[in-house]
Amino acid sequence: DADVTQTPRNRITKTGKRIMLECSQTKGHDRMYWYRQDPGLGLRLIYYSFDVKDINKGEISDGYSVSRQAQAKFSLSLESAIPNQTALYFCATSAPTGTRSYNEQFFGPGTRLTVL
Amino acid sequence: AQTVTQSQPEMSVQEAETVTLSCTYDTSESDYYLFWYKQPPSRQMILVIRQEAYKQQNATENRFSVNFQKAAKSFSLKISDSQLGDAAMYFCAYRGSSYGKLTFGQGTILTVHP
Repeated sequence: DADVTQTPRNRITKTGKRIMLECSQTKGHDRMYWYRQDPGLGLRLIYYSFDVKDINKGEISDGYSVSRQAQAKFSLSLESAIPNQTALYFCATSAPTGTRSYNEQFFGPGTRLTVL
Repeated sequence: AQTVTQSQPEMSVQEAETVTLSCTYDTSESDYYLFWYKQPPSRQMILVIRQEAYKQQNATENRFSVNFQKAAKSFSLKISDSQLGDAAMYFCAYRGSSYGKLTFGQGTILTVHP
């Protein structure tokens, strides 16, 4: 099945460390997103990308950076992790406007990140 | 900016009964989509149901249905014949015309009692 995968699934790190979360998809979608989930706040958009050459900030991009290495890969980096970046992180994909399922997003299984 | 509000942090229901989860949103757009996602303890985000704003008919998917009130900007989810497997966090989400991003509500934890 075409899928969205995230690695690692769980990660514990220390304040000040650099960490990368990776997302891969086999859906052939060009649009990819990174969200962060916090209790009581729902999911919030960090970054999004419409193709390899297109990277855009979401509503909470401070402290994060991304890389779109290929159409199928979208990585999220924390250059110097801090405790308030402890959260559940989701990658998602969607098809281009005009395609049958363009209004739906498909989510990966999430990465639980803990920053001590 | 669009906002989505779920005013019920927690809800509970007896197995086989019906429960309604509330969601309101704020937008100035006329063309948009609304979604309900389910997040079980596995953390996976599962699409439950979607509604296109231009459609007057309320969406239904088996035991799940919505009450979409466009003028009131309300989008509630009704779960009929609740099952133990329905226990999860439920998120309401809005997708407007700009770059396809989803705006989520805070979530409602649903407990199903046997």
